[in-house]
Amino acid sequence: EDQVTQSPEALRLQEGESSSLNCSYTVSGLRGLFWYRQDPGKGPEFLFTLYSAGEEKEKERLKATLTKKESFLHITAPKPEDSATYLCAVQAPSDGNTGKLIFGQGTTLQVKP
Amino acid sequence: EAGVAQSPRYKIIEKRQSVAFWCNPISGHATLYWYQQILGQGPKLLIQFQNNGVVDDSQLPKDRFSAERLKGVDSTLKIQPAKLEDSAVYLCASSLVGPGWQFFGPGTRLTVL
Repeated sequence: EDQVTQSPEALRLQEGESSSLNCSYTVSGLRGLFWYRQDPGKGPEFLFTLYSAGEEKEKERLKATLTKKESFLHITAPKPEDSATYLCAVQAPSDGNTGKLIFGQGTTLQVKP
Repeated sequence: EAGVAQSPRYKIIEKRQSVAFWCNPISGHATLYWYQQILGQGPKLLIQFQNNGVVDDSQLPKDRFSAERLKGVDSTLKIQPAKLEDSAVYLCASSLVGPGWQFFGPGTRLTVL
């Protein structure tokens, strides 16, 4: 069964304290791994797409990496505005061009000033 | 560019009552998704439309949930009758190219008493 597990469930950091969020997945034939940010009361907002092991993407203080079994979201020198829930999702194979996303439970990040 | 619109934003009903949610996707997006997000969990796909047709409804509880997308644009999701365990945020998303590049609406928070 395709599965996505994120850790930790919650993370508290001081402003400027770098850390990493983990996303472990089991899926037959990964077609893509996606990171989203979700603020309270809002829908998820797309951050990154990764397709193959070794790939890396960066955006401001965020950097996403991918291996054959997991992905990391590295947060460098975070600021309070980075506080949010970060969701990881994998695209499962399907018969056609469509392929549903399977989401992890998310990591809730709180950055204190 | 206007985002995905959803209404209502909040709904409180009693169990066994009926409820309907509305979604207007981003103009031109052929694919539309409905997700259920229970508190503390990641979104779970309920149904996926490609234009007017259903692509995936494998996780839709069809005895009580129904959805339609008329004319390939707006969509409605209905629950009849509601159960306590249906309390969740119902997210609508749309995409132009592939399931990974999804844009989410703000969601409808449903509370079933």
